[in-house]
Amino acid sequence: DTEVTQTPKHLVMGMTNKKSLKCEQHMGHRAMYWYKQKAKKPPELMFVYSYEKLSINESVPSRFSPECPNSSLLNLHLHALQPEDSALYLCASSQDSGENTEAFFGQGTRLTVV
Amino acid sequence: QKEVEQDPGPLSVPEGAIVSLNCTYSNSAFQYFMWYRQYSRKGPELLMYTYSSGNKEDGRFTAQVDKSSKYISLFIRDSQPSDSATYLCAMNYGQNFVFGPGTRLSVLP
Repeated sequence: DTEVTQTPKHLVMGMTNKKSLKCEQHMGHRAMYWYKQKAKKPPELMFVYSYEKLSINESVPSRFSPECPNSSLLNLHLHALQPEDSALYLCASSQDSGENTEAFFGQGTRLTVV
Repeated sequence: QKEVEQDPGPLSVPEGAIVSLNCTYSNSAFQYFMWYRQYSRKGPELLMYTYSSGNKEDGRFTAQVDKSSKYISLFIRDSQPSDSATYLCAMNYGQNFVFGPGTRLSVLP
């Protein structure tokens, strides 16, 4: 099973709302990632969790708050977003966060901020 | 200069054609290479991965790596309309995956 499951698939939220994106994998992977992808652009790294600890934050605004409750789950909490934050948010996992490993992606959450 | 270059296309081919997709990279520290297929509004799907120079084959797909030239390729044989998607090359570096901009492929029936 190489599946990464993301919920919800679609989300529309106002600029004053608080919402959360969820990601789950059962491959025993110890690294999990959040990427943001705008239309016709490649995915851009936001956060990396390695062994449930935040190891990379790519200078992401504080209105995005990641959380890794356990080795299988990854959340992204959203608050006071801007319309330009509308994008496809992708979760990925890999065996570990070192080199020589491949990443498996979920289907993404398509977020629209109104 | 971007770390990973890829012709964005669009690339249109007739059904049954052999498709060649390519990426060049500048960082010689990249050692692990992947190809992803992404359908519109979906997440990237891992097609192939390799860490050595040479060819790796899986069904209709062949991945080729030339580290001396910093050049990687993906060949698709007997292309099908269902292969129409954006193809992203990616390289593993530290705790990140660096992506090329993607090539949009259309296979016409």
